[in-house]
Amino acid sequence: GIQVEQSPPDLILQEGANSTLRCNFSDSVNNLQWFHQNPWGQLINLFYIPSGTKQNGRLSATTVATERYSLLYISSSQTTDSGVYFCAVYSGTYKYIFGTGTRLKVLA
Amino acid sequence: ETGVTQTPRHLVMGMTNKKSLKCEQHLGHNAMYWYKQSAKKPLELMFVYSLEERVENNSVPSRFSPECPNSSHLFLHLHTLQPEDSALYLCASSQDDGGGFSNEQFFGPGTRLTVL
Repeated sequence: GIQVEQSPPDLILQEGANSTLRCNFSDSVNNLQWFHQNPWGQLINLFYIPSGTKQNGRLSATTVATERYSLLYISSSQTTDSGVYFCAVYSGTYKYIFGTGTRLKVLA
Repeated sequence: ETGVTQTPRHLVMGMTNKKSLKCEQHLGHNAMYWYKQSAKKPLELMFVYSLEERVENNSVPSRFSPECPNSSHLFLHLHTLQPEDSALYLCASSQDDGGGFSNEQFFGPGTRLTVL
């Protein structure tokens, strides 16, 4: 099956810093999502991005499907950005496969 | 109510108990999912229902029994669980195009289950 790898596994930032999170996948996919899981466990949709680039405030994402990776950019990080960031790829027939996540901590 | 809701939010049960988790989606979607998230592990897909039919059962033990009475409601019936079943159980929904292609998934807040 498709393998999904995220890097880095852990990241500590000072408030105001920028960061890039990466998601690599081993085969072609139909679509890709980025999620933020808050400390209470809720998964919040960030981007639905099978290809191309999208921006939402301080966050943006780029998926290069032909090269099998996606990037999530966080600019001017805030303490509320802390949590775990997951990418999930859709491989077909109802199967979403999640990466192992990047655990982000933003220090005040 | 909007989005995807789950009840209860927390559940503690003994190994001999029977309990049920409930999920309701208010998005008009036609596919619903159960996921399990154990500590420090990625989300694992358990069950998928599309148009109220189970289309995926990801080798889940029979002590977990799903039920989808209509496209808005999904249950997970639990019986004789083991301590290693303690985890966060997440429900999600999406719009399926009828040919197995699923669009954006939306998640509920989860039920944190502890099995003693």
